Amino acid sequence: GAVVSQHPSWVICKSGTSVKIECRSLDFQATTMFWYRQFPKQSLMLMATSNEGSKATYEQGVEKDKFLINHASLTLSTLTVTSAHPEDSSFYICSARGTSGNNEQFFGPGTRLTVL
Amino acid sequence: AQSVTQLGSHVSVSEGALVLLRCNYSSSVPPYLFWYVQYPNQGLQLLLKYTSAATLVKGINGFEAEFKKSETSFHLTKPSAHMSDAAEYFCAVTGTLWDDKIIFGKGTRLHILP
Repeated sequence: GAVVSQHPSWVICKSGTSVKIECRSLDFQATTMFWYRQFPKQSLMLMATSNEGSKATYEQGVEKDKFLINHASLTLSTLTVTSAHPEDSSFYICSARGTSGNNEQFFGPGTRLTVL
Repeated sequence: AQSVTQLGSHVSVSEGALVLLRCNYSSSVPPYLFWYVQYPNQGLQLLLKYTSAATLVKGINGFEAEFKKSETSFHLTKPSAHMSDAAEYFCAVTGTLWDDKIIFGKGTRLHILP
């Protein structure tokens, strides 16, 4: 089946630093990747949609200058949390949609970000 | 606009008993509905999906769900719970299969009692 990986699985950083999270589709080409944020005991909230080679589309209320998304290839998208603060601590999950036409999204295992 | 409501943030059932996880949806257009499962430290896995074909949908691991338009429900069931079913379950809705946005419920944690 389609596998999506994320790296790192968890990261702890100091306030004010930037953190990059990678999302890779391991055995398929992903034309579209999605980034979600999951707070404890809450839903997954879509942050942005990225298509390979074009700018990401951000959901309302998501700061595009703070959450930089790059989708430079059909197998890799990155989310960079710039100047991270404690309120950015969360579980970040990516998903990828392939080119097979069935439109199913395959989810990565998530990255736990803790900002001290 | 679409939304889903999952009733019960925690559900406990005994091993071998019926599993019933409730999901009600709201949609201004005919919905497509999904159930996902999330095991600890893992990604979301699709259990099953309703795409306007048969109202009773069978998924993986013995789960099934029935789409009831009159009740705006899409409850997830399994006749006999296994210990391995302990996980977080998410109901989700989207407007069409080609719609980018999947709206998730808050999730239900399923506990299996020995």
